[in-house]
Amino acid sequence: GENVEQHPSTLSVQEGDSAVIKCTYSDSASNYFPWYKQELGKGPQLIIDIRSNVGEKKDQRIAVTLNKTAKHFSLHITETQPEDSAVYFCAALNSGYSTLTFGKGTMLLVSP
Amino acid sequence: GAGVSQSPRYKVAKRGQDVALRCDPISGHVSLFWYQQALGQGPEFLTYFQNEAQLDKSGLPSDRFFAERPEGSVSTLKIQRTQQEDSAVYLCASSLRTSVPGGTQYFGPGTRLLVL
Repeated sequence: GENVEQHPSTLSVQEGDSAVIKCTYSDSASNYFPWYKQELGKGPQLIIDIRSNVGEKKDQRIAVTLNKTAKHFSLHITETQPEDSAVYFCAALNSGYSTLTFGKGTMLLVSP
Repeated sequence: GAGVSQSPRYKVAKRGQDVALRCDPISGHVSLFWYQQALGQGPEFLTYFQNEAQLDKSGLPSDRFFAERPEGSVSTLKIQRTQQEDSAVYLCASSLRTSVPGGTQYFGPGTRLLVL
């Protein structure tokens, strides 16, 4: 089955800095890669996703890149703000299966 | 519109007790998923429904776990004879379409289960 590795497990940045979270996956058949943000006591919320026919996608301060050859994808947050502080999860979906496989999460702390 | 709702939000059970967790998906969503999230970990897949059909239950950890979605809308996850290792947050997600790419999964707030 799919295995998703995510790092770092924690990331502390100053407000205004950029933050990068990286994930690798094992199943070359995976073709959909969402990123979720989870705040304390809440369910994960989709913030951006990318499909395997695209190398990069951007939405305001958030961007995701995908390298299918190397089987890794990354989340980039620019101009970080304190409200960006949360746990971020990457995930991968293999169209041959019905399930998302999640990474273990990155706790991002943005200090004012 | 309303998102995915789950009830109860918190449940404390004594070891050996049966529990039932409810999920109300977004209206009209075809697919429904249950995940288990241990403390400090990412969600792990339990089971998946397309309408009322349970198409994948490969993630259910034991035969003490049972899920149903009899009318293709509300779903219930039942855990019989709860054990301490069942303590976790149980997340429900729904998707408008089937699970192939294009079916974004929207998560509920979860039910936090503590087994004493």
